[in-house]
Amino acid sequence: EAQVTQNPRYLITVTGKKLTVTCSQNMNHEYMSWYRQDPGLGLRQIYYSMNVEVTDKGDVPEGYKVSRKEKRNFPLILESPSPNQTSLYFCASSWSGGGTGELFFGEGSRLTVL
Amino acid sequence: GENVEQHPSTLSVQEGDSAVIKCTYSDSASNYFPWYKQELGKRPQLIIDIRSNVGEKKDQRIAVTLNKTAKHFSLHITETQPEDSAVYFCAASSNDYKLSFGAGTTVTVRA
Repeated sequence: EAQVTQNPRYLITVTGKKLTVTCSQNMNHEYMSWYRQDPGLGLRQIYYSMNVEVTDKGDVPEGYKVSRKEKRNFPLILESPSPNQTSLYFCASSWSGGGTGELFFGEGSRLTVL
Repeated sequence: GENVEQHPSTLSVQEGDSAVIKCTYSDSASNYFPWYKQELGKRPQLIIDIRSNVGEKKDQRIAVTLNKTAKHFSLHITETQPEDSAVYFCAASSNDYKLSFGAGTTVTVRA
């Protein structure tokens, strides 16, 4: 089954404790991206990757890091989480660039930073 | 960068009536306009998209129209059903890799 898998789905952590949200896709997509969803703000792009070892900032990259060492994986790293990073996070992938074709989203990861 | 505004933020319709959601965008170079539907607790999923060389596109009960001159596009849902209740997001893209979303519209279909 074609899918985008995120882990963990739910996480409560404390300020400053490094965490990683994993994302994996099995569709051989070159493009992957991370979004955060907040009430009244829609989906905002954090980082995206056009291919292995190629990443770029989205609209809200501050406080986040990413890496793309393998085509299927695109982890999101919060080196020192803060309460304003409490949000619902979605990973997505696409056969084309995210701006030209369908995005396939993961199920989301709800993060709470205390 | 691209700025997408979406209205209304909430919309309540009687079952069987039509629903219309409107979006405006700022970058005249934008050429791809998808609409995503997000049911409660679920992931967003593409329901329809339109490219700048097309003025209107239909798929059963949903349709999207694009006015490039005015820089706005709209989603039309006819004969609404309870399963149409969801949050709908419009989006616009002016390059291959960045997609900017609107804030979303929560649609409630009353039985």
